[in-house]
Amino acid sequence: TQLLEQSPQFLSIQEGENLTVYCNSSSVFSSLQWYRQEPGEGPVLLVTVVTGGEVKKLKRLTFQFGDARKDSSLHITAAQPGDTGLYLCAGANAGGTSYGKLTFGQGTILTVHP
Amino acid sequence: GAGVSQSPRYKVTKRGQDVALRCDPISGHVSLYWYRQALGQGPEFLTYFNYEAQQDKSGLPNDRFSAERPEGSISTLTIQRTEQRDSAMYRCASSSRGGGHEQYFGPGTRLTVT
Repeated sequence: TQLLEQSPQFLSIQEGENLTVYCNSSSVFSSLQWYRQEPGEGPVLLVTVVTGGEVKKLKRLTFQFGDARKDSSLHITAAQPGDTGLYLCAGANAGGTSYGKLTFGQGTILTVHP
Repeated sequence: GAGVSQSPRYKVTKRGQDVALRCDPISGHVSLYWYRQALGQGPEFLTYFNYEAQQDKSGLPNDRFSAERPEGSISTLTIQRTEQRDSAMYRCASSSRGGGHEQYFGPGTRLTVT
């Protein structure tokens, strides 16, 4: 069974601070996705990283995929109250009988205070 | 151009009753996924389909849970003889292709078993 360990589980910070969320596994994934979910809504995809060592930027968000494609991080610069939400990482299985299945991390609940 | 829809949005049922949860994916999407999600946690995989074929049902908790997608479009998740522990948010997602490609999530069905 593939597992994704996401940390921290909770993060409460002040507006303007920087933060990093980590997603770690002992398994290799073909790709890794980051989602953001607001209360009462379904998760919405932020980014997909595919290549080991890949770095993608989305405004104040920076996503990195580990060289071995087993881990990833999300860094937010100068957080704003609008960034508040549940952040989820999800790994896509590389193949075999579980090809196509996404394994989600436990999520990080981020609260940014004005 | 509608997104993924699910019905009903809320379902309250008595223990022992059967329930059927419906998912209408984005038109033309090949893959359809069912998840169960606890509050503040990541989605837990249940099963997924490519077209009408059920590719992986390893996440279904027990044989009271079943899913079908007979014409490769709408899917139904059925829970027989519901138990209180089945109470949860059930989410459906669809993807234009398999292989862990970007998934679009529906609003979910909140199931409460009394």
